[in-house]
Amino acid sequence: GQQVMQIPQYQHVQEGEDFTTYCNSSTTLSNIQWYKQRPGGHPVFLIQLVKSGEVKKQKRLTFQFGEAKKNSSLHITATQTTDVGTYFCAGQGNQGGKLIFGQGTELSVKP
Amino acid sequence: DADVTQTPRNRITKTGKRIMLECSQTKGHDRMYWYRQDPGLGLRLIYYSFDVKDINKGEISDGYSVSRQAQAKFSLSLESAIPNQTALYFCATSDSGYTEAFFGQGTRLTVV
Repeated sequence: GQQVMQIPQYQHVQEGEDFTTYCNSSTTLSNIQWYKQRPGGHPVFLIQLVKSGEVKKQKRLTFQFGEAKKNSSLHITATQTTDVGTYFCAGQGNQGGKLIFGQGTELSVKP
Repeated sequence: DADVTQTPRNRITKTGKRIMLECSQTKGHDRMYWYRQDPGLGLRLIYYSFDVKDINKGEISDGYSVSRQAQAKFSLSLESAIPNQTALYFCATSDSGYTEAFFGQGTRLTVV
């Protein structure tokens, strides 16, 4: 069945350093979504990518969807303490089916 | 009020007991999901429903059952709770197709 793998599991950075998390699917995806979960909170939607090779930016966050629509990445430039949390990718197969999440990357930022 | 409400928020139960976690939503969405979150394992899909008459097993459905009582309500039951079902459980909803999911606040379940 569809599987979504995400690495790394944890990332500890100094404030101001960059951060990247990677997501890989065992099957071709119709779209990929990214979520952020603050400590003690629930996942909150950040963005959705649909097109092959798509790149989207939200301020310091850059999201990419691979050409084969099987991988994706989230890059944060110059991390801040407000970026702390767990970042999840989630993929849907053909026809917008069930939403399968990766394991998440927990980001901690040292001031 | 939250768009997706889960009850209870916290629950401690004994091994072998039956327990129901409830989820209700006011967003009018057709799709509802139950996930469990464990450290290092991310969010794993237990069951999902694309409309009232549609129920599907997810990745880890063994030991769980669900009921979609109405478009707005989706309940998760543990027929006979066991300690390794101790986890944080999330309900989520989405509109049909390629749209974002909205999560409830979560239910922290401890089975002793």
